Amino acid sequence: AQKVTQAQTEISVVEKEDVTLDCVYETRDTTYYLFWYKQPPSGELVFLIRRNSFDEQNEISGRYSWNFQKSTSSFNFTITASQVVDSAVYFCALSEGYGQNFVFGPGTRLSVLP
Amino acid sequence: SAVISQKPSRDICQRGTSLTIQCQVDSQVTMMFWYRQQPGQSLTLIATANQGSEATYESGFVIDKFPISRPNLTFSTLTVSNMSPEDSSIYLCSVVPGDRGYEQYFGPGTRLTVT
Repeated sequence: AQKVTQAQTEISVVEKEDVTLDCVYETRDTTYYLFWYKQPPSGELVFLIRRNSFDEQNEISGRYSWNFQKSTSSFNFTITASQVVDSAVYFCALSEGYGQNFVFGPGTRLSVLP
Repeated sequence: SAVISQKPSRDICQRGTSLTIQCQVDSQVTMMFWYRQQPGQSLTLIATANQGSEATYESGFVIDKFPISRPNLTFSTLTVSNMSPEDSSIYLCSVVPGDRGYEQYFGPGTRLTVT
């Protein structure tokens, strides 16, 4: 069965620090999809990124970067030069196919202090 | 991505009553899901609601408690029946747009408090 683990329950950093959110997943499928979502205090889930299992290239988008390593079943998310607006709960998720239901990790609450 | 709206955005209800939550999408989508997020917790899938078929419920969720309708490709409702304080949660609908079949997009959620 699929499983997503986010070992960090809460993280606090001071503005401008870099922070990495960890995500470890389990799946028996060879084809799968990994995601990160952001949930700010308003409650809405915001899609950040999708990564396919057959594409291990890391990705950078502005201050955000993602490191996908199949060898360790990890899909970590780094925020560079964090800002107060980055404060949110971040969820890692796994899907094993087209439109198949997602399994969400427990989430990591990030607090960026001014 | 799809634009998704939910009504109501929040509500406070009395024990024993029922609430129907609406989810409207700005484009036709085949796959729609309903999730529950209890306070401080992650998301748990309640059911999958595909148009033209009965909703498929996950373990621990039953149709009598969470009846779902999916009358067309842009709309769905979830009813929380005979509510108790344990039903206090955020309820979210999500869709899988046909052209982005690997990604789910979420509505803003309905914050339900049962007293």
